[in-house]
Amino acid sequence: DAKTTQPTSMDCAEGRAANLPCNHSTISGNEYVYWYRQIHSQGPQYIIHGLKNNETNEMASLIITEDRKSSTLILPHATLRDTAVYYCILYHGGSQGNLIFGKGTKLSVKP
Amino acid sequence: GAVVSQHPSRVICKSGTSVKIECRSLDFQATTMFWYRQFPKQSLMLMATSNEGSKATYEQGVEKDKFLINHASLTLSTLTVTSAHPEDSSFYICSSIAGINEQFFGPGTRLTVL
Repeated sequence: DAKTTQPTSMDCAEGRAANLPCNHSTISGNEYVYWYRQIHSQGPQYIIHGLKNNETNEMASLIITEDRKSSTLILPHATLRDTAVYYCILYHGGSQGNLIFGKGTKLSVKP
Repeated sequence: GAVVSQHPSRVICKSGTSVKIECRSLDFQATTMFWYRQFPKQSLMLMATSNEGSKATYEQGVEKDKFLINHASLTLSTLTVTSAHPEDSSFYICSSIAGINEQFFGPGTRLTVL
């Protein structure tokens, strides 16, 4: 079973920041927080990951609380193409581990 | 990032026939590939882990004789759905790990069994 909890759905206005929360209160010390998204009828796309420090890349920012029990994915300027299901996943890494997907958050970006 | 391709992207077949889906890592070698299945409005569920040169490991409830996996090279894994039935209609997605901690997914294959 997935070890994360996310809201089922969220709306965001185009051009505004989208803040997607994720709770992972049982995270263990060697688990990373990964975010993927899945646009309809496509394979999941990697967004970002982090262990305990905040991370930023060209797609998004990841804010992890100090106790690591929750995190927030931030899309700074959402566009209509960001409409997708966003998955927050705990992953210990390595060459043998698979990803366990929960239900994710359906983000709808509206004009 | 690394690129994983799948072929075909969409396939329609008759009940009782077999269908082969290919998963390729285009710019890296993949010792391990994962096969997922996704039914409409549901999340991805892992079916099996494919290891190059050895037998695949199947998740509980997945029939290994129905879903044949072959990982004969470091860039190709195949999933064959044997004697397909309408309940096997689904979105099949493969993935592989490139580098240390990044897993990349193929675009998926939509299987429809009539």
